[in-house]
Amino acid sequence: EAGVAQSPRYKIIEKRQSVAFWCNPISGHATLYWYQQILGQGPKLLIQFQNNGVVDDSQLPKDRFSAERLKGVDSTLKIQPAKLEDSAVYLCASSLGPPGSGNTIYFGEGSWLTVV
Amino acid sequence: KNQVEQSPQSLIILEGKNCTLQCNYTVSPFSNLRWYKQDTGRGPVSLTIMTFSENTKSNGRYTATLDADTKQSSLHITASQLSDSASYICVVSVAGGTSYGKLTFGQGTILTVHP
Repeated sequence: EAGVAQSPRYKIIEKRQSVAFWCNPISGHATLYWYQQILGQGPKLLIQFQNNGVVDDSQLPKDRFSAERLKGVDSTLKIQPAKLEDSAVYLCASSLGPPGSGNTIYFGEGSWLTVV
Repeated sequence: KNQVEQSPQSLIILEGKNCTLQCNYTVSPFSNLRWYKQDTGRGPVSLTIMTFSENTKSNGRYTATLDADTKQSSLHITASQLSDSASYICVVSVAGGTSYGKLTFGQGTILTVHP
């Protein structure tokens, strides 16, 4: 079974530039998550999709971050303009259904962003 | 406020030894508790998922316990191997309401196994 695919794996940009990350979840997984993980900390949820609808984006800095999941499959996360504090690993994850049902959540390898 | 606290922050052990990692949570209402292993530079990988009614669950050399009354969980690693060196993250999910399934992550315990 193919896992959660993310790209690019690494990205270095200057502050105020824009960047986009792509995620392809495991086939058939309705729930898709984007997490931000700063070095030494646990992941923080940015946005959660159920199919192509947003379930939770309460911690997404909407003035600079945006995400979409067109057709309920692939997803993109965009940052524009980037700030130094956005340097982190951006993890995409997916599960068959919501985590409250005990569904296993599978994570991608992450996209490492460095803002200089 | 829902919180998950893990201890110790870091731990160094010798290969072949056992160790136990702790997780205390204040998440309510409780749905399930998960332990993840995250190797450096990789995404987290699920080790166990436990619901309210489960006291213990094993996955190879990893055994997780849950005491829902005291809101504590532990992850016991038996006969450690060098490949066990990683960050271990405790994650708790809420039940019901508008936050159904919302996950609260701990900061992780960094385990280093030396030969």
